[in-house]
Amino acid sequence: IAGITQAPTSQILAAGRRMTLRCTQDMRHNAMYWYRQDLGLGLRLIHYSNTAGTTGKGEVPDGYSVSRANTDDFPLTLASAVPSQTSVYFCASTPGTGPSTEAFFGQGTRLTVV
Amino acid sequence: SQQGEEDPQALSIQEGENATMNCSYKTSINNLQWYRQNSGRGLVHLILIRSNEREKHSGRLRVTLDTSKKSSSLLITASRAADTASYFCATVPNYGGSQGNLIFGKGTKLSVKP
Repeated sequence: IAGITQAPTSQILAAGRRMTLRCTQDMRHNAMYWYRQDLGLGLRLIHYSNTAGTTGKGEVPDGYSVSRANTDDFPLTLASAVPSQTSVYFCASTPGTGPSTEAFFGQGTRLTVV
Repeated sequence: SQQGEEDPQALSIQEGENATMNCSYKTSINNLQWYRQNSGRGLVHLILIRSNEREKHSGRLRVTLDTSKKSSSLLITASRAADTASYFCATVPNYGGSQGNLIFGKGTKLSVKP
């Protein structure tokens, strides 16, 4: 089934550790996004990529980095995790180079930093 | 900061009743989208309305957009218990002709009682 796959589904991580959240899509979409969802705050954009080889910062990029080496993969890395990065992380994609059409979401990664 | 704000934050109705959720936003937009999220799952796109459209229908869903008031509403008619979920509006801002990224509100939690 075509769509977005995120891994892992959930993770408990010690503070200070490095962690990469994986996101893969098989729809050949140009743009990809990472959001975090926190209770009472909705979804906030961390980083985005309008096309392979380019990335940009969203609303809350500090402490996170991304890369877009190819169309399908858009990993999110936490270089040194802190408890405030405890959240549910969603990867999304859109066909064009921006969200002029609907976005498709993965099922999320629930990350707990202790 | 959030572009869209949904109202109410929570809504509880009986099956068969209509549910209306409102969204206000701050800046000029390219389009506005509504998403649904079941508990613990990813977001699913419901409907997209462009800035030059005033109303759109999809099944039991009706969306209106008033760009002069910077507001939108989502109406779900003849609600079912399966409609229980959180509903988010998301806007794609216009920045001097350039398109911004999808920015979400905090959501409305809808509970439909059988």
